[in-house]
Amino acid sequence: DMKVTQMPRYLIKRMGENVLLECGQDMSHETMYWYRQDPGLGLQLIYISYDVDSNSEGDIPKGYRVSRKKREHFSLILDSAKTNQTSVYFCASSLYRSSYEQYFGPGTRLTVL
Amino acid sequence: SQWGEENLQALSIQEGEDVTMNCSYKTYTTVVHWYRQDSGRGPALIILIRSNEREKRSGRLRATLDTSSQSSSLSITAAQCEDTAVYFCATELNMGYKLTFGTGTSLLVDP
Repeated sequence: DMKVTQMPRYLIKRMGENVLLECGQDMSHETMYWYRQDPGLGLQLIYISYDVDSNSEGDIPKGYRVSRKKREHFSLILDSAKTNQTSVYFCASSLYRSSYEQYFGPGTRLTVL
Repeated sequence: SQWGEENLQALSIQEGEDVTMNCSYKTYTTVVHWYRQDSGRGPALIILIRSNEREKRSGRLRATLDTSSQSSSLSITAAQCEDTAVYFCATELNMGYKLTFGTGTSLLVDP
C-alpha cells in the first residue's frame, strides 16, 4: 500500500523554538516536496528534493530548511519558529518529476504561539 | 473559476446535478493535474490531462484542457454527497519538477 506518513500530526510551539517535521514514504520515490497550506489559499511550495542530498528552494523557502539523508525520509526544519509559520504542512512524493502523480501525506498542523 | 490570485471559490449544488469547475493559469504548461482534498486530509490526484488529450474522462469526471486560452475545466456528472471536497488544479513548471496549485474550488453537494 503506497503511503506517505507525517509526524507529528499536531504540534504547538512557542515563538523562537525549533521545529522538526518528519515525512516518510515507502514507494522509493525520487522526488519529495514540502508545502504549506493556509486558509483559503492553495498549496505553496517550500522545498523540493530530487534525491538524497539534492534539494532545491521552492517558492517560499525563507525561514525553512530541509534535510534528506535517505531516499524514503525528508525533514522540514524551522529554526526559531515565528508566529506567521502557523500553518498546515504537507509532504508529498512523486516517482520522478511532477509529470507523475504526487502522493500527499495527511499533513501536520503547526501552531506557533 | 480558480486562479493563482483569486480567493477560494465555493459552489453548492444538489445531489444529482452536474457541475463544472474552471481553472485559468498564467504560465504555459503541457499538463494539468486535478486534485481533490477532503477535510482534514492531504490532496489526492483524481485526473491528469496532457495537452495532446484536450479531454479526458474517468468515471463521472471529465477534464478538458485548452492550451491556447490557458484554461482547464473539471466536470462532475450526477454529483454525489461524497463528491463534497475542495478541488485544486495544478500546472507544471520547471521541466515538470514543480507544480503550481490554484486556490481551489470548494464544492458542497447537498442530499
